[in-house]
Amino acid sequence: GAGVSQTPSNKVTEKGKYVELRCDPISGHTALYWYRQSLGQGPEFLIYFQGTGAADDSGLPNDRFFAVRPEGSVSTLKIQRTERGDSAVYLCASSLTRAGPGELFFGEGSRLTVL
Amino acid sequence: GDSVTQMEGPVTLSEEAFLTINCTYTATGYPSLFWYVQYPGEGLQLLLKATKADDKGSNKGFEATYRKETTSFHLEKGSVQVSDSAVYFCALNNAGGTSYGKLTFGQGTILTVHP
Repeated sequence: GAGVSQTPSNKVTEKGKYVELRCDPISGHTALYWYRQSLGQGPEFLIYFQGTGAADDSGLPNDRFFAVRPEGSVSTLKIQRTERGDSAVYLCASSLTRAGPGELFFGEGSRLTVL
Repeated sequence: GDSVTQMEGPVTLSEEAFLTINCTYTATGYPSLFWYVQYPGEGLQLLLKATKADDKGSNKGFEATYRKETTSFHLEKGSVQVSDSAVYFCALNNAGGTSYGKLTFGQGTILTVHP
C-alpha cells in the first residue's frame, strides 16, 4: 500500500506486560513521528526520528517508553511494564525531509488497551 | 508551553448550513497553524495550513485565516455536506525548521452533518 501502515490495529494486554507497536512509513519518507491520542483528546507528540536517529524524544512520558528505527524505515514503539494509563491510540506519521510545516501522513493507529 | 483550544463539540448541522469551528492558541514566537481532519476509519489528514499572520489557508471549500492579534485560526465552510462529517483538529507547529512535524493539537471537534 501507499500509506503509513501500523500494526497491530488493536492490542489488548494485561497490566505489567511488554508491548511492541510497529510503524511502516511511506517509502522514501525519512522523517517519522509517534503520537499518542487518549480518549477525547488530540494527539500528543512522543518522539521524532530523522533517518535512524531519534532527533527529539522530549514527548516520551517516562523510561518505560522506547522507540527504535534501526534501518531508517520501519519503527517500533516499545512499552515496558504497561499500566492502565497507557491505554490510548498510538499514531505514527511520516514525511519527506524537505516537507513543509505540518505536511505529515498519518497511519490509522494502533489502539492499545491495558486491562 | 504551547497550547491549542478548540470549541467544544459535538457540532450537528443540516446539509448546506454554514460551519464555524473556533480555534485559539497560545504560543511564543510565530507558529504555523493547521487544521487536520479525521474521517471515519481513516488516518488524520492535513486539511489546510497557514504559516504567517494574515495568511488564509483553504482546501475543499474550507477556509481559515491566521489572526495573530486574536491568536485565532477559526475554520469555516459556507455550505457543509454529509461527507464533511468527521473529527476536526486544530494544531500548531512552533519547532520551526528543526521539526516541522512536531505538532501541538487541540482536543478535536466532532462534526455531524445530516441530510
